[in-house]
Amino acid sequence: ETGVTQSPTHLIKTRGQQVTLRCSSQSGHNTVSWYQQALGQGPQFIFQYYREEENGRGNFPPRFSGLQFPNYSSELNVNALELDDSALYLCASSSPGLAGYNEQFFGPGTRLTVL
Amino acid sequence: AQKVTQAQTEISVVEKEDVTLDCVYETRDTTYYLFWYKQPPSGELVFLIRRNSFDEQNEISGRYSWNFQKSTSSFNFTITASQVVDSAVYFCALSEANNQGGKLIFGQGTELSVKP
Repeated sequence: ETGVTQSPTHLIKTRGQQVTLRCSSQSGHNTVSWYQQALGQGPQFIFQYYREEENGRGNFPPRFSGLQFPNYSSELNVNALELDDSALYLCASSSPGLAGYNEQFFGPGTRLTVL
Repeated sequence: AQKVTQAQTEISVVEKEDVTLDCVYETRDTTYYLFWYKQPPSGELVFLIRRNSFDEQNEISGRYSWNFQKSTSSFNFTITASQVVDSAVYFCALSEANNQGGKLIFGQGTELSVKP
């Protein structure tokens, strides 16, 4: 069983640029969530995609957008990068079950540096 | 409002000491889930435990144990006989029941350093 993978591992961009981060969900999972983790902080929920539709969003501006594809992989796009966007971006996948909470499995993250 | 507070930013212990990481949460929901994750320097979040709000039984897994007390809204994590490999940042997190598989609210994390 393949776990959650993310690419790239590291990325350096300059202020004002746009960036796309990618996530492949764990086999059998149809839900992907994205989190931003600034240095020294806990992860903050950005949004979640379920069956290609956005299914919940945290307190992030519209320049943070996403996509989910038919194979349930996902992209996180950030436009007009700001210095404060420098962070570790984590992707987590899960799959709704018959009852109860469904575990989120995290990928290794993409570390974005904005100069 | 939902909130998770981990008041201890950093803890340093010597190997074989016991250490407890504190977690206090706030939620208006009666059904919710609590978690602990470990984040080693590699960055990946490693799931340790999930408890639902109706199960206050304490749990032990090897050297790890968890104490869930609804009366004080706390979900504390104890490592017994700590080892150097336990060095990491530990996060407590909350998810409300209407967010199946959804939004996790994390605390600020506690950085644990276990010295030989």
